[in-house]
Amino acid sequence: DVKVTQSSRYLVKRTGEKVFLECVQDMDHENMFWYRQDPGLGLRLIYFSYDVKMKEKGDIPEGYSVSREKKERFSLILESASTNQTSMYLCATNVRGDSNQPQHFGDGTRLSIL
Amino acid sequence: ILNVEQSPQSLHVQEGDSTNFTCSFPSSNFYALHWYRWETAKSPEALFVMTLNGDEKKKGRISATLNTKEGYSYLYIKGSQPEDSATYLCAFLRSNDYKLSFGAGTTVTVRA
Repeated sequence: DVKVTQSSRYLVKRTGEKVFLECVQDMDHENMFWYRQDPGLGLRLIYFSYDVKMKEKGDIPEGYSVSREKKERFSLILESASTNQTSMYLCATNVRGDSNQPQHFGDGTRLSIL
Repeated sequence: ILNVEQSPQSLHVQEGDSTNFTCSFPSSNFYALHWYRWETAKSPEALFVMTLNGDEKKKGRISATLNTKEGYSYLYIKGSQPEDSATYLCAFLRSNDYKLSFGAGTTVTVRA
């Protein structure tokens, strides 16, 4: 079974802080994704990566950056946290080159920015 | 961001009853339609990936149909059980960039 581990289930940070959310997967998947989920909205794609050191903007990249230095790890960075970034953040992975494969998700990080 | 609509937003069903709900999506640039089940305090879990018009998939008491021409998919739960209580997400995979666009989900609560 694919294991996608997010570093924290709950996180509280202050406005203006630089925040790192970490995601690690154990299945050698090429594709990794970061989403946020807000009440009444579907999951929205922030950034994704198809390979090491490669990144692509999703639908809502503003205020975020990412890092993929190793295949198994994909980090989401909030450069200067703001209250509107309070949300549930989900990491997901899947195999590159087979778009019929589902995505595998972590348990999520509920981030509060005060 | 593409418009993927799920209805209803929530529903309550009596244990043993069957239920169904809808996902509608753009009929252009279709590549695949995903269904996920998201239980509280757990990670979303894939149920189905559907690619062909007229596709029907089944997993235990849960099944899904797909109509790509008119842009909708139904998810059915037969003989609902308390463990079926979850939020069911659909997601549209578009062919021009292979990104998933998610609906807001249908939250199902099964009452014993």
